[in-house]
Amino acid sequence: SQTIHQWPATLVQPVGSPLSLECTVEGTSNPNLYWYRQAAGRGLQLLFYSVGIGQISSEVPQNLSASRPQDRQFILSSKKLLLSDSGFYLCAWSDGQSFNSPLHFGNGTRLTVT
Amino acid sequence: GQQLNQSPQSMFIQEGEDVSMNCTSSSIFNTWLWYKQEPGEGPVLLIALYKAGELTSNGRLTAQFGITRKDSFLNISASIPSDVGIYFCAGLLNNDMRFGAGTRLTVKP
Repeated sequence: SQTIHQWPATLVQPVGSPLSLECTVEGTSNPNLYWYRQAAGRGLQLLFYSVGIGQISSEVPQNLSASRPQDRQFILSSKKLLLSDSGFYLCAWSDGQSFNSPLHFGNGTRLTVT
Repeated sequence: GQQLNQSPQSMFIQEGEDVSMNCTSSSIFNTWLWYKQEPGEGPVLLIALYKAGELTSNGRLTAQFGITRKDSFLNISASIPSDVGIYFCAGLLNNDMRFGAGTRLTVKP
């Protein structure tokens, strides 16, 4: 069965510091991978998605970047965090062989920028 | 971005009551999905609907894919305290997924 791992679970970082969040998927090949952000009590905002290694699409201009160095690894980064980067970050995957495959989410990373 | 209208935004109900929430869109979708998110966790897929008119159940949960492909509803029967959480609808068309803003459900014992 497929599993998705996301870490760390919580993170407190000072303004101006770098960020690296990692997500890995097991049990599937060539998945579509996604990064979402969720503000407290709010809905889900798509940040990045990837349909293959090295292929990244950005949905919104921002202080963050994403990379996919391996088929089942997706990384969210920032060189200098802003206070507004605080939030709940969710990684997700879907079946890359299907156009209408549901997303499956990791357990999220709670990022607090101080 | 979110282009689905999900209602209600929140619900406060007594244990044992039935719950109904829905999503509408100005666009058609090939797939409708319903997720539940508990505090501090990622959304978990509850029901996936792949065909217009489809009615699917998962325990006490029932969801339908609207015949126009522009709407879906989720019903929860005989609610229990562990039903508490935020429920999200999502519409999917060719890898383009849109989420509703969520319905926050509170169940009083």
